[in-house]
Amino acid sequence: AQSVTQLGSHVSVSEGALVLLRCNYSSSVPPYLFWYVQYPNQGLQLLLKYTTGATLVKGINGFEAEFKKSETSFHLTKPSAHMSDAAEYFCAVSLNSGGSNYKLTFGKGTLLTVNP
Amino acid sequence: DGGITQSPKYLFRKEGQNVTLSCEQNLNHDAMYWYRQDPGQGLRLIYYSQIVNDFQKGDIAEGYSVSREKKESFPLTVTSAQKNPTAFYLCASSIGGGWGIVDTQYFGPGTRLTVL
Repeated sequence: AQSVTQLGSHVSVSEGALVLLRCNYSSSVPPYLFWYVQYPNQGLQLLLKYTTGATLVKGINGFEAEFKKSETSFHLTKPSAHMSDAAEYFCAVSLNSGGSNYKLTFGKGTLLTVNP
Repeated sequence: DGGITQSPKYLFRKEGQNVTLSCEQNLNHDAMYWYRQDPGQGLRLIYYSQIVNDFQKGDIAEGYSVSREKKESFPLTVTSAQKNPTAFYLCASSIGGGWGIVDTQYFGPGTRLTVL
């Protein structure tokens, strides 16, 4: 079955350290890929997305992600964590749901904690 | 400002009651979606609508119903048949649900439903 896997339900980093949140997907064809961020009791906000073209995608708040087809991965990174980055992050992938239909499938999320 | 509004923000329901969650968008999007979010579960699709007067079941439609009489509005009713309705409900919209690759989905602020 097609799926999205986020490795690590909880990641903790120090302020100023590298942030790396992992996302892998299973699909026989390259999908569209998204990262969303959710702050407590709020909706999801789009950080960045990959559709076609350049595999390194830059998003808001200094985040970026690289699509690696050979590894079926789309990991999210930020060189230097800020306290304001503490939130839950969701990877989402558009996958074929039958015929020519596609739907957005979300990973289970990674909660990022930033320590002072 | 264009966006998606959900009301109420918090909702309490007694067992056996039906409740309706409101979702309105002024983005002129054709497609709208309802998701349910439980801790550690990510987002699960309840229903979606690609065009007015049409909607499709998602992965967990049992115990829920929707209508799409206007482009701007996509209310969700949680019926008494839903056995465990306590959750955070998110509404989203996209330019066109399309029969091809999924467009970016934009999310509302959510409604937290608690069954007493």
